[in-house]
Amino acid sequence: DAGVTQSPTHLIKTRGQQVTLRCSPKSGHDTVSWYQQALGQGPQFIFQYYEEEERQRGNFPDRFSGHQFPNYSSELNVNALLLGDSALYLCASSTPWGPGTEAFFGQGTRLTVV
Amino acid sequence: ELKVEQNPLFLSMQEGKNYTIYCNYSTTSDRLYWYRQDPGKSLESLFVLLSNGAVKQEGRLMASLDTKARLSTLHITAAVHDLSATYFCAVDWSGANNLFFGTGTRLTVIP
Repeated sequence: DAGVTQSPTHLIKTRGQQVTLRCSPKSGHDTVSWYQQALGQGPQFIFQYYEEEERQRGNFPDRFSGHQFPNYSSELNVNALLLGDSALYLCASSTPWGPGTEAFFGQGTRLTVV
Repeated sequence: ELKVEQNPLFLSMQEGKNYTIYCNYSTTSDRLYWYRQDPGKSLESLFVLLSNGAVKQEGRLMASLDTKARLSTLHITAAVHDLSATYFCAVDWSGANNLFFGTGTRLTVIP
């Protein structure tokens, strides 16, 4: 089991550009959540996808959008990049229901906006 | 407003000593996580606590959950240098594994 995989691992973009980050969930998981972790802070929830729809959203602007594919993989898109978007972006997968469900995190994508 | 507060924020302790990290949260939740994060790395899951009174132990770390007090603790026994890292607690606020993280506790174990 490969676990949760994210690509790319590192990325450098220029302010104003657009970026797409990718996530493949752990085998058997159908729910994907995205988090942003700025340097020195805890991760912040961006949104969650289930059945190819955004189900929950945190306090992030519309510049942050996502998509989930039929194979449960997901993309995070950020438009009009700002310097403040520089962060570690984490993807977590899970099954949505049941007492034993647990979120598993990928290794993250380090985005630097210059 | 949901709040998850950890204390202390910074902890420097000598090898061999014991200490406890506290995590207070402001909403009802039936799932609380503890994670470890090394610099520049992702989150490593330590414990998932699912019910009131839950206690889990792994090596020198033990976590507990009191849902009535909305308090979780992470106890470190006989600390070793390898435990140096940042520790986060996170509360599942939605019941669907949407997590709200605490501020983190940066632990440094001094030889």
